[in-house]
Amino acid sequence: AQKITQTQPGMFVQEKEAVTLDCTYDTSDPSYGLFWYKQPSSGEMIFLIYQGSYDQQNATEGRYSLNFQKARKSANLVISASQLGDSAMYFCAMREGYGNKLVFGAGTILRVKS
Amino acid sequence: DADVTQTPRNRITKTGKRIMLECSQTKGHDRMYWYRQDPGLGLRLIYYSFDVKDINKGEISDGYSVSRQAQAKFSLSLESAIPNQTALYFCATRETNTGELFFGEGSRLTVL
Repeated sequence: AQKITQTQPGMFVQEKEAVTLDCTYDTSDPSYGLFWYKQPSSGEMIFLIYQGSYDQQNATEGRYSLNFQKARKSANLVISASQLGDSAMYFCAMREGYGNKLVFGAGTILRVKS
Repeated sequence: DADVTQTPRNRITKTGKRIMLECSQTKGHDRMYWYRQDPGLGLRLIYYSFDVKDINKGEISDGYSVSRQAQAKFSLSLESAIPNQTALYFCATRETNTGELFFGEGSRLTVL
């Protein structure tokens, strides 16, 4: 079974609008961490945001927020006020327990239209 | 300078050739990783290391080997490259508390 599922291969959003990128995960471990990374066309991997399974609040970092719904096992990334520079591939990833590996989803390509 | 440096950044080689991708880091992290990225598959773990004496296979280790020469250096080798090893390869180090990975800039390998 897939540990991390990103169901949207590609998304379009109008500049200045908000967009939600979906991520669902599968784990039986009560302790885990969820990550989002951005990969622009230049190829580097840029860390965006982290949510721990025991964190009471949804994580936020500037225009990025993580909509963490534990019971539904979802960790959607919300980007507010989209900018052209947000056009990129976005990966959701999970660390299970205090394990040493991050498992990645297949990614979602986001295109911001002007 | 980047915290995690990979060399070479781009390499084109032929089937059957031996290739080494090198990674060095200045973050002082013990844990280092090699991932492979293919379109539609995300990043998949090849090998990871906790220290110079501890090497572990990831989900797709066949056809690859690694060497941890020092805390700061972790190299990936393809003993006899084949075309389906054409991919973007990432080295990463791991932050202890959250598990966040810090990635190198990637090494694009093409096997003809």
